[in-house]
Amino acid sequence: ILNVEQSPQSLHVQEGDSTNFTCSFPSSNFYALHWYRWETAKSPEALFVMTLNGDEKKKGRISATLNTKEGYSYLYIKGSQPEDSATYLCALYMEYGNKLVFGAGTILRVKS
Amino acid sequence: DTEVTQTPKHLVMGMTNKKSLKCEQHMGHRAMYWYKQKAKKPPELMFVYSYEKLSINESVPSRFSPECPNSSLLNLHLHALQPEDSALYLCASSQVGYTQYFGPGTRLTVL
Repeated sequence: ILNVEQSPQSLHVQEGDSTNFTCSFPSSNFYALHWYRWETAKSPEALFVMTLNGDEKKKGRISATLNTKEGYSYLYIKGSQPEDSATYLCALYMEYGNKLVFGAGTILRVKS
Repeated sequence: DTEVTQTPKHLVMGMTNKKSLKCEQHMGHRAMYWYKQKAKKPPELMFVYSYEKLSINESVPSRFSPECPNSSLLNLHLHALQPEDSALYLCASSQVGYTQYFGPGTRLTVL
């Protein structure tokens, strides 16, 4: 069973702080790594899809990197805003079965 | 339209009831998914339909019965559920092998 770990479990920061969290995985036998943002009572929203070792993606103040050799991905948020408050999920898209395997997520709360 | 809709938003049912969850998308996606999420746990895949055919059943108990009547609709029929089946049920859709788009979920409580 593939275990996708996310840390920390939760994070409370002040508005303007930059923050980052980690997604760890034991295997490189996956096709892609996905990051999702999930606000309370809304649908999980796809942020990034990364496939190659060394991939870096950026959307506004949010960026992500992927290291398949050491088995981790980082998500960075620069200058956190209250609207960034959400649960951030990472998931591995497996080469077989057209399936996503999720981590439990990092809950981010940004105080104004 | 990048929206996946799910109905109902909330459902409370007894262990002897039969109910259904519905999911709809109009993005032309040919893969649709059901996930189950318990509090503070990762979403767990239950079923995958590809081109309206069931392609993955993750050893889900038979009291959950999926149905894909056409390429836009996905149902999950519920019968004789247990209190431990209380969870958030998420539907998603995608082009096969591409990013999955999720609905907001149905919060199910089994009494």
